[in-house]
Amino acid sequence: DVKVTQSSRYLVKRTGEKVFLECVQDMDHENMFWYRQDPGLGLRLIYFSYDVKMKEKGDIPEGYSVSREKKERFSLILESASTNQTSMYLCASRYNEKLFFGSGTQLSVL
Amino acid sequence: DQQVKQNSPSLSVQEGRISILNCDYTNSMFDYFLWYKKYPAEGPTFLISISSIKDKNEDGRFTVFLNKSAKHLSLHIVPSQPGDSAVYFCAAGTSGTYKYIFGTGTRLKVLA
Repeated sequence: DVKVTQSSRYLVKRTGEKVFLECVQDMDHENMFWYRQDPGLGLRLIYFSYDVKMKEKGDIPEGYSVSREKKERFSLILESASTNQTSMYLCASRYNEKLFFGSGTQLSVL
Repeated sequence: DQQVKQNSPSLSVQEGRISILNCDYTNSMFDYFLWYKKYPAEGPTFLISISSIKDKNEDGRFTVFLNKSAKHLSLHIVPSQPGDSAVYFCAAGTSGTYKYIFGTGTRLKVLA
């Protein structure tokens, strides 16, 4: 079974802090994604990476950056957290047209 | 502009009956569609998919129907069980690209 692991289930941060969300997959998948889920808005794509050191903006990249130094790890960075970034963050890897998601990180920015 | 729409935010169904969840899309370039189920505080899990060369795909209690001319797909769950209570998301993508666009989700409640 594919395993996508997100380092934290719950995080509480203060506005202005730099926040790192980590994601690791164990199946050598090339494509990895970061989504956020908000009530009534579904899952929205923040950034994705199609290979090591390769990244592309998704639909809502503002306020975020990403890092992919190794194939198995894809990090989402909130440069200066704001309250409107309070959300559930979901990491996924892709193989054979399917996305495999981690358990999610519920981030609260106070 | 929302390219993938799930117009019913919620649906309640009696245990044992059929659940039908609907999804509409606007982009005619989409040729691959997936359904995911999500429980609270967990990540979405893959349920079933369909490519545009088919109009039906079945996996156990789950069947997905695709109507390309109407740009509409639906997920049928028969028979519905209380454990099916979750939020269901449809997603659409185009071959050769990396992105999937998700709908806003439908919360299904199966009543015992």
